[in-house]
Amino acid sequence: DQQVKQNSPSLSVQEGRISILNCDYTNSMFDYFLWYKKYPAEGPTFLISISSIKDKNEDGRFTVFLNKSAKHLSLHIVPSQPGDSAVYFCAASGASKIIFGSGTRLSIRP
Amino acid sequence: DTEVTQTPKHLVMGMTNKKSLKCEQHMGHRAMYWYKQKAKKPPELMFVYSYEKLSINESVPSRFSPECPNSSLLNLHLHALQPEDSALYLCASSRGTSGRRSGTGELFFGEGSRLTVL
Repeated sequence: DQQVKQNSPSLSVQEGRISILNCDYTNSMFDYFLWYKKYPAEGPTFLISISSIKDKNEDGRFTVFLNKSAKHLSLHIVPSQPGDSAVYFCAASGASKIIFGSGTRLSIRP
Repeated sequence: DTEVTQTPKHLVMGMTNKKSLKCEQHMGHRAMYWYKQKAKKPPELMFVYSYEKLSINESVPSRFSPECPNSSLLNLHLHALQPEDSALYLCASSRGTSGRRSGTGELFFGEGSRLTVL
């Protein structure tokens, strides 16, 4: 039973344009939602988070939007840069656990 | 540079061997975690230690035995593993476990130990 789902395994975006990564969840009890970025042969690194009582959080080029009624969140990266090419994991935390989605591989093309 | 250090980076072992994975953090974090990640899959939670006590065991087989000697160290003892246990084992730490009072529970990951069981 997947509690956190990323339905797009991959996404290709032109450099300078907006990248939008999506995530759905099933458990209404999650307190926070997080995005992690992972390069090959490295552990995931934290990118940005949002509390379940907020609907938007922004940090530089990264913005996360939360739609609680739809149980959906998205990560916007603008403008996209070559260094943004990586696997992005959506995660949800609650009850002392953090559950990860299956990841979306983002490729930024010149 | 990651502040969570895992050793060894690579480990190859037979099904009858006993080995250990080690993890260390010096950020003063009070929660430490083991995750398992197979290729093209998300990290899957195995164990959570909070204040050096095991707080979550996600029904992990007993051939995996965690140990938290102190607040900075976390070990994963391996014995009689199966080839399907081959994976990347990730250690992580956080200031506390997640919750409305303690915050996001943001995890800081190590680079992982890639385990191959022959």
